[in-house]
Amino acid sequence: EPEVTQTPSHQVTQMGQEVILRCVPISNHLYFYWYRQILGQKVEFLVSFYNNEISEKSEIFDDQFSVERPDGSNFTLKIRSTKLEDSAMYFCASSDVGRLEQYFGPGTRLTVT
Amino acid sequence: AQSVTQPDIHITVSEGASLELRCNYSYGATPYLFWYVQSPGQGLQLLLKYFSGDTLVQGIKGFEAEFKRSQSSFNLRKPSVHWSDAAEYFCAVGADTGGFKTIFGAGTRLFVKA
Repeated sequence: EPEVTQTPSHQVTQMGQEVILRCVPISNHLYFYWYRQILGQKVEFLVSFYNNEISEKSEIFDDQFSVERPDGSNFTLKIRSTKLEDSAMYFCASSDVGRLEQYFGPGTRLTVT
Repeated sequence: AQSVTQPDIHITVSEGASLELRCNYSYGATPYLFWYVQSPGQGLQLLLKYFSGDTLVQGIKGFEAEFKRSQSSFNLRKPSVHWSDAAEYFCAVGADTGGFKTIFGAGTRLFVKA
């Protein structure tokens, strides 16, 4: 069964550094998403992406964040200058044209020190 | 605004006992509803989903959920809990706000005692 993959599984970075989290969505999906889960809290929507542009973003997704689909398979989330409060699990998801169900990746745990 | 409420932060049940996890949603249109399970440090596993049709939906691992429009609820049930069911459970609603997204509840942590 096709699945969403994410790399790395765990990333440790120092405050102020840039990080790029990578995702490979399911190959025939057209909609891509990033979510965040701070330890012990609920999963929060960050951004949705379709047709090479952002469809919707939450208030969390400020100018420090950006997304890109650099090629036909990858979908990336970049945090320009990480803060301690960016430490969280980041989930990528994708959905097909029906959009009703999103398939989540296993997540990348980001630790900012 | 769309929202999901899980009123129980944590629940403890004995192994073999029945389980019901509560979920209420707020959404103006026909909701697309989901239950996910998350073990510590792990990703999200979809247990079941409701889009339309039969209001009682069956999922994996012996779970089921019932959609009640009049109560805006989508409670998760299991007739006999196993120790391996101990995890965090998230109810979620799919919201089409131009850019489709999933809105999660705060989660219910399930503890299973022997």
